[in-house]
Amino acid sequence: RKEVEQDPGPFNVPEGATVAFNCTYSNSASQSFFWYRQDCRKEPKLLMSVYSSGNEDGRFTAQLNRASQYISLLIRDSKLSDSATYLCVVNLGGGGNKLTFGTGTQLKVEL
Amino acid sequence: SAVISQKPSRDICQRGTSLTIQCQVDSQVTMMFWYRQQPGQSLTLIATANQGSEATYESGFVIDKFPISRPNLTFSTLTVSNMSPEDSSIYLCSAKLRGEQFFGPGTRLTVL
Repeated sequence: RKEVEQDPGPFNVPEGATVAFNCTYSNSASQSFFWYRQDCRKEPKLLMSVYSSGNEDGRFTAQLNRASQYISLLIRDSKLSDSATYLCVVNLGGGGNKLTFGTGTQLKVEL
Repeated sequence: SAVISQKPSRDICQRGTSLTIQCQVDSQVTMMFWYRQQPGQSLTLIATANQGSEATYESGFVIDKFPISRPNLTFSTLTVSNMSPEDSSIYLCSAKLRGEQFFGPGTRLTVL
């Protein structure tokens, strides 16, 4: 089983749609969680951290369910510029700094 | 935020040769890392580059194949040694600054 698993994608959605990505992680000791965005042929960039209480940043909402080892990202009112690959990322913490990346979910927002 | 630059941005190399990739961070950082992203795959951590001591390698990666230097708090190099076509990948440098991890633009390596 992969340490971090994501929806296979790709997701093709019309502009203005709401889209949700899911991610599961295998190590229950994982302590911090993130969503990164990677544009084509570019480096990953941090989109947002994910907290158990849930957090929102504009059109983006991230949720963490520790009991189910499940992370989600919701994008409302999709824009063309949201087209990218979204990477679910987990850190075991405990003084370690190893980020474990999911394979990513590709989103394409269309007119 | 941290700005990370890498050189070269891309290279095409013959099998059996070695390539050294340079990574420069615009801030002093304690933690620097090297990742690999193979075609269609996600990022895999190769090693943590420790300043003043030997790098810490992840399972499946060894120092003889991927020697790493970290002479100071802003610079690191990764060498891909005795290359084979299986080493064709994007190699990304990363640094952690104030709790956030930033990535360089990557070095796209093709081995013929």
